[in-house]
Amino acid sequence: AQKVTQAQTEISVVEKEDVTLDCVYETRDTTYYLFWYKQPPSGELVFLIRRNSFDEQNEISGRYSWNFQKSTSSFNFTITASQVVDSAVYFCALSEAGIGSQGNLIFGKGTKLSVKP
Amino acid sequence: NAGVTQTPKFQVLKTGQSMTLQCAQDMNHEYMSWYRQDPGMGLRLIHYSVGAGITDQGEVPNGYNVSRSTTEDFPLRLLSAAPSQTSVYFCASSYVAQGIVKRGGNTIYFGEGSWLTVV
Repeated sequence: AQKVTQAQTEISVVEKEDVTLDCVYETRDTTYYLFWYKQPPSGELVFLIRRNSFDEQNEISGRYSWNFQKSTSSFNFTITASQVVDSAVYFCALSEAGIGSQGNLIFGKGTKLSVKP
Repeated sequence: NAGVTQTPKFQVLKTGQSMTLQCAQDMNHEYMSWYRQDPGMGLRLIHYSVGAGITDQGEVPNGYNVSRSTTEDFPLRLLSAAPSQTSVYFCASSYVAQGIVKRGGNTIYFGEGSWLTVV
C-alpha cells in the first residue's frame, strides 16, 4: 500500500537558517508522482512541485530545492536562508500511476515550520 | 475567476443534523475529490469521482455521501453529523487523477476549505 511519512512534526528555525523537511514514501508501483504543498496560516494549499519517478534530477527554484532519491524512497525539501514568510505547514504527497492505480493523492501528516525573526 | 468554489466556509452543526458541503468547478475537470484535514493527520481522501455519474470511496468514507450528477458539481453530504466529523474539508479538481499522465499538464486545484464544527 502507498504511504507517505513526514517524521518531523514541527521544526523551528531562526531566520536565514537553512532547513530540510524530510519525506519518505512507500509504494509498490514503479511509476508514481511526488508532490510538495505549502499551507500558510491562512489555510489554503499552495502547490510547490511535482516530480515523476523516472526523473531523479534534483530541482532548485529560488531558495527552494528538492532532493529525490529512489534508493532511499525519499523526496526531501530544503529551504535555504529561511524567511518568516516560509512559516507554514508543508505536506509531501504521492500518487501512484501504475496499471490499476486510482491515481489519487495521498498526503503525509505534514511538518509545521516556524521561522523566527 | 476559474477555480474551485467551496461553500460554506464556516459551519456549526449540532450532532445528528445533516448538511451538504458544496463544491463547484468551472474548468471542465473530470476528476474531483474531497479531503478532510485534522490536526496531526494531514489530508485524508474521503470520496472521489472520475467523471459525471462515477464516484468511489477514499480512505475515510464512513459518514459521508457524494454524488456527481454534473461535471461541475461534487457535493459532500453529512447525513447525521457527529463530533468526529469536526474538521476542515477541502474539495479538489483536476483534468484527471494525479497519477495519470496528461499532455499539457494536470494541475490539481484546491478549494479554500470549509471549517466544520459539530457540537
